[in-house]
Amino acid sequence: QQQVKQSPQSLIVQKGGISIINCAYENTAFDYFPWYQQFPGKGPALLIAIRPDVSEKKEGRFTISFNKSAKQFSLHIMDSQPGDSATYFCAASVGSGAGSYQLTFGKGTKLSVIP
Amino acid sequence: DGGITQSPKYLFRKEGQNVTLSCEQNLNHDAMYWYRQDPGQGLRLIYYSQIVNDFQKGDIAEGYSVSREKKESFPLTVTSAQKNPTAFYLCASRRTGLTEAFFGQGTRLTVV
Repeated sequence: QQQVKQSPQSLIVQKGGISIINCAYENTAFDYFPWYQQFPGKGPALLIAIRPDVSEKKEGRFTISFNKSAKQFSLHIMDSQPGDSATYFCAASVGSGAGSYQLTFGKGTKLSVIP
Repeated sequence: DGGITQSPKYLFRKEGQNVTLSCEQNLNHDAMYWYRQDPGQGLRLIYYSQIVNDFQKGDIAEGYSVSREKKESFPLTVTSAQKNPTAFYLCASRRTGLTEAFFGQGTRLTVV
């Protein structure tokens, strides 16, 4: 049972374009939603995270949009650059109580930004 | 520098041998995790530990074992019972609550 579904599996965007990656979750107890960026041969690193009390969070060119009623959240990368080419993972976690230490990940999106 | 250190970066083993992957953190984090990463599969949780001397099975614990004798260390043993052990293994740690999980650089295990 996959609790966090991520799409698309791969994405090709032209330099300067907008990259959009979507995630949907099932467990309504989730209350922390991070996005991780991973370069080949490296461990993932936190990019940006959101909690469900806000609908949007922006950090530089990266924005998370969150729709609690639809149980969906997405990552938008504005003005995409070749250096953004990486695999992106969404994740979800419960903040307290049983399972509060677990992070559940989507299957990842491989982003390629072409010049 | 604070962080998570996984060693070795590359590991080769013969089929049927047990192998132990090292994970050490100096971030004073309570929780530690082991994930397995296969192409197209994302990160799948093998084991996690919330506190010393306690650990819980994740989604794919069969064929793996762990220990948590010290707060800073969480080694993973891939046993001969693991049917398809070749993969990229990632260790992570996290403070309690809604906080960032920090990952190590991974160990690529190849079983021949």
